[in-house]
Amino acid sequence: GENVEQHPSTLSVQEGDSAVIKCTYSDSASNYFPWYKQELGKGPQLIIDIRSNVGEKKDQRIAVTLNKTAKHFSLHITETQPEDSAVYFCAASIGAGGYSTLTFGKGTMLLVSP
Amino acid sequence: EPEVTQTPSHQVTQMGQEVILRCVPISNHLYFYWYRQILGQKVEFLVSFYNNEISEKSEIFDDQFSVERPDGSNFTLKIRSTKLEDSAMYFCASSGGTGELFFGEGSRLTVL
Repeated sequence: GENVEQHPSTLSVQEGDSAVIKCTYSDSASNYFPWYKQELGKGPQLIIDIRSNVGEKKDQRIAVTLNKTAKHFSLHITETQPEDSAVYFCAASIGAGGYSTLTFGKGTMLLVSP
Repeated sequence: EPEVTQTPSHQVTQMGQEVILRCVPISNHLYFYWYRQILGQKVEFLVSFYNNEISEKSEIFDDQFSVERPDGSNFTLKIRSTKLEDSAMYFCASSGGTGELFFGEGSRLTVL
């Protein structure tokens, strides 16, 4: 089955710095790669996703890149703010139509210091 | 904004007891899922449900687990005889036609 590795496990940055979180996946058939933000005591919240027919996607301060050949994808957060502090999970799936079963990475705890 | 709602938010039970976790998915979604997260670990897939039947399940989802959509709005996860290792946060999720999964806030299960 699919296996997703995520690094680093923790990441501390100063407010205004950029943060990068990297993930690799094992199944070349995976075609959908979402990123979730989880705040303490809450459920994962989708923040951005990318599909395998696209190499990069940006939404304001966050961007995701995908390298299908190398089977890795990354989350980039620019101009970090203290409210960005949370656990971030990457995931991969073989999506078909409206259905996708996600395999998650182990998560990255991002701490943004004022 | 539509959201997935889950009840209870926290349940404490004795080992061997049955537990039912409830979810109300987003109303026009067709695919429903249960995931779990043991404290400090990653989110793991349990089961997916579509058209009133299980479409996929993981090896975690053994005979003690079952799911049901008893009416047009609720989606339930039943654990028949709880074990200590079932203690975790259980997340319900739903998706519509795009494949994006939307998660609820979770139900924390503590088995003593």
